[in-house]
Amino acid sequence: EIVLTQSPGTLSLSPGERATLSCRASQSVSSSYLAWYQQKPGQAPRLLIYGASFRATGIPDRFSGSGSGTDFTLTISRLEPEDLAVYYCQQYSGSPRTFGQGTKVEIK
Amino acid sequence: QLQLQESGSGLVKPSQTLSLTCAVSGGSISSGGYSWSWIRQPPGKGLEWIGYIYHSGTSYYNPSLRSRVTMSVDKSKNQFSLNLSSVTAADTAVYYCARRSSSTPEDNWGQGTLVTVSS
Repeated sequence: EIVLTQSPGTLSLSPGERATLSCRASQSVSSSYLAWYQQKPGQAPRLLIYGASFRATGIPDRFSGSGSGTDFTLTISRLEPEDLAVYYCQQYSGSPRTFGQGTKVEIK
Repeated sequence: QLQLQESGSGLVKPSQTLSLTCAVSGGSISSGGYSWSWIRQPPGKGLEWIGYIYHSGTSYYNPSLRSRVTMSVDKSKNQFSLNLSSVTAADTAVYYCARRSSSTPEDNWGQGTLVTVSS
């Protein structure tokens, strides 16, 4: 099973700042089958990024993903108040699929 | 527009079986290449992937839950189901259904349904 470790646990930033979230895998994620989800309070997760760097339909271009192998990053270029959420990475290259423990983004 | 909706018992007694159904609308459960997942999230905690099933009935379960999980598909009703046996308080969670494929992550999710295990 591939274990995903996200850092930091919590990120507290002001609107307009850049947020950088990390996801590290215990073994290589083949084909860059790494996704990022956003979960707002009381809502289901929403797919933001798939294939490590491809934005899902309707996702603003301030969200971007990068990385390969075992190290991946989600960047929010200019934080907006509605970006308050927990962000999860998921690998879908191995079975079972696994999620990271999440990074909470707080808006100052 | 594809929509998924979970339903089922919100309260289950310990040692009994949790049963949930996910109704799919705006698309066919038999549409090419897709399969259907269950994911759960204990209150205040992270996401746990339970497994998936194809319209053919082929399924894969997370080894951590494999001994207690059964999934099924009802193509005539365009829905799929999850049974989890011998539940304990640790199975209390919001349960989500979602669509996936072998090369894509879970891209469409239901709103989730809270199941509480308590006597």
